[in-house]
Amino acid sequence: KAGVTQTPRYLIKTRGQQVTLSCSPISGHRSVSWYQQTPGQGLQFLFEYFSETQRNKGNFPGRFSGRQFSNSRSEMNVSTLELGDSALYLCASCLGGTGPYEQYFGPGTRLTVT
Amino acid sequence: AQKVTQAQTEISVVEKEDVTLDCVYETRDTTYYLFWYKQPPSGELVFLIRRNSFDEQNEISGRYSWNFQKSTSSFNFTITASQVVDSAVYFCALSEANSNYQLIWGAGTKLIIKP
Repeated sequence: KAGVTQTPRYLIKTRGQQVTLSCSPISGHRSVSWYQQTPGQGLQFLFEYFSETQRNKGNFPGRFSGRQFSNSRSEMNVSTLELGDSALYLCASCLGGTGPYEQYFGPGTRLTVT
Repeated sequence: AQKVTQAQTEISVVEKEDVTLDCVYETRDTTYYLFWYKQPPSGELVFLIRRNSFDEQNEISGRYSWNFQKSTSSFNFTITASQVVDSAVYFCALSEANSNYQLIWGAGTKLIIKP
């Protein structure tokens, strides 16, 4: 089985721009979660999608949004980029349903905002 | 208040030494789960173990072992006879039933194994 894939792997954007990151989960996985990882704040949960619906949301401003498609692929969008948005964005997938499933992570997208 | 504390920011040992990574958690739920993940330099987090709050048995998997103690709210991870390939950042995480099982992460411990 192919693992979780994320595109692009690296991205450089300018303050004020917007960006869209993509995540393809493992085949059969219906839940996709997004995390932001920075040296200062560590790993922080952004949101989780299950069957095209946002099921959980972390404590991030509305500039961060996401969606999930019928094939479980997910995108996250960050509008009006700020320097502090520079981070590694990780996507994780799992089977879904209700429960503490082990999550499978992608390699991440390294976003640099200048 | 921090729910998952990994007090060791960085540990450096020589290959073949044993090393223990500490994890202390805080929860009021009676049903919760604890996880360990490994993040090698490539960046991809790798699942190592999941343990539920009703099972305090220690677990061993090859050179890895985990010690879960509810009395001290700890879930420590020991690597026996460490190898250079064990070098990575290790994260402990908590998942609570009352929080929809959302993962709450510790800050991570960077483990450096020197040859």
